[in-house]
Amino acid sequence: DTGVSQDPRHKITKRGQNVTFRCDPISEHNRLYWYRQTLGQGPEFLTYFQNEAQLEKSRLLSDRFSAERPKGSFSTLEIQRTEQGDSAMYLCASSLLAGTGGNEQFFGPGTRLTVL
Amino acid sequence: AQRVTQPEKLLSVFKGAPVELKCNYSYSGSPELFWYVQYSRQRLQLLLRHISRESIKGFTADLNKGETSFHLKKPFAQEEDSAMYYCALGFRVGNEKLTFGTGTRLTIIP
Repeated sequence: DTGVSQDPRHKITKRGQNVTFRCDPISEHNRLYWYRQTLGQGPEFLTYFQNEAQLEKSRLLSDRFSAERPKGSFSTLEIQRTEQGDSAMYLCASSLLAGTGGNEQFFGPGTRLTVL
Repeated sequence: AQRVTQPEKLLSVFKGAPVELKCNYSYSGSPELFWYVQYSRQRLQLLLRHISRESIKGFTADLNKGETSFHLKKPFAQEEDSAMYYCALGFRVGNEKLTFGTGTRLTIIP
């Protein structure tokens, strides 16, 4: 499978615990995005990387959230001291920056987080 | 700030009937509009984008800057069109982030 992959697919945790999600983008893609999707809503942008640089963070990304892309390949999203409001589907997407045209974002299957 | 509105959460259409999924946006710059689709148990995938002016799976969408709309249309619905459809707004260069609408669940009645 050469698409975007995410691990784990499901995570159940207790309030206050830390969780970490991983995203592996399509191999030649230099941009990687994280989105969060709650029930009945569309995906909401959290942050994105170009290579290893984190270029933008949404105000949705509180201090408890941190994302990294250490070698410009896979990325991790960590949530510290989880709260019930963090329960959501976390989506990763990647794209290839090419020219001035819009770049199609390819989405992974998502990680569903449930905080008890 | 950019915003995307999809007024219909649910839409049911008979097979063979025309389909129109509405999308309105607000953005002061030059927008790039997309329709993404999510079939049952599948990941979100791009259906079409206004810049390419293509017809994908019989669907078309025209960007109307005067009405700030990007409605998705298909003249004859098919059962396999049943899915969740999201309209999304990006920037002209790079699409660093997409702003999505809340989605419309389309059900095609056989």
